[in-house]
Amino acid sequence: DIQMTQSPSSLSASVGDRVTITCRAGQSISTFLNWYQQKPGKAPKLLIYAASSLQSGVPSRFSGSGSGTDFTLTISSLQPEDFATYFCQQSYTTPVTFGQGTKLEIK
Amino acid sequence: QVQLQESGPGLVKPSQTLSLTCTVSGGSINSGSYYCNWIRQPAGKGLEWIGRMYNSENTNYNPSLRSRVTMSADTSKNQLSLNLMSVTAADTAVYYCTYHAGPVDQYMDVWGKGTTVTVSS
Repeated sequence: DIQMTQSPSSLSASVGDRVTITCRAGQSISTFLNWYQQKPGKAPKLLIYAASSLQSGVPSRFSGSGSGTDFTLTISSLQPEDFATYFCQQSYTTPVTFGQGTKLEIK
Repeated sequence: QVQLQESGPGLVKPSQTLSLTCTVSGGSINSGSYYCNWIRQPAGKGLEWIGRMYNSENTNYNPSLRSRVTMSADTSKNQLSLNLMSVTAADTAVYYCTYHAGPVDQYMDVWGKGTTVTVSS
């Protein structure tokens, strides 16, 4: 299985801050990397696919980058509705695997 | 716009079989390429991939669950099913189905709301 490791596991930030979350794959996955946002009691929501493509309807303050083993999700200016848990996921091969999640909290 | 609805018993006894259904609306599983994944999430924990069905006849399962999992499709009802045998308390989780239309299972763009399953006697 390809292990996906996110950092940090939790993060405190303020509205308006720029935030970066990192995801590292245990082996090269090219750009087969997706990012999801999950709010309490809700299903995950796709934000970024193929490492850097913005899903339709997702605000442009979200962006993704990376290839190979190292990836980042950046939120350029945090909004109140962005406080949630974020997961990365590799779709390079089965079994599909997810990062452990990064909980973004209000400072 | 495709929508998904998971359904099934919320309580399953240990050693029994967990059976869930994912009803697809706004899209067809009878034609074209699609991928339906099943994901689960224990309370307060991360996401675990259970497996996927694609094009109504092909499956891939997580090796950690392969011996206990089967997935199937009923194209006449536009439904996909998950069966997980010999459950234990460790199978207690929210179970999600996801859907992606396309030739490659690159991402999960449509998610059901999830259904909570508790394994307890």
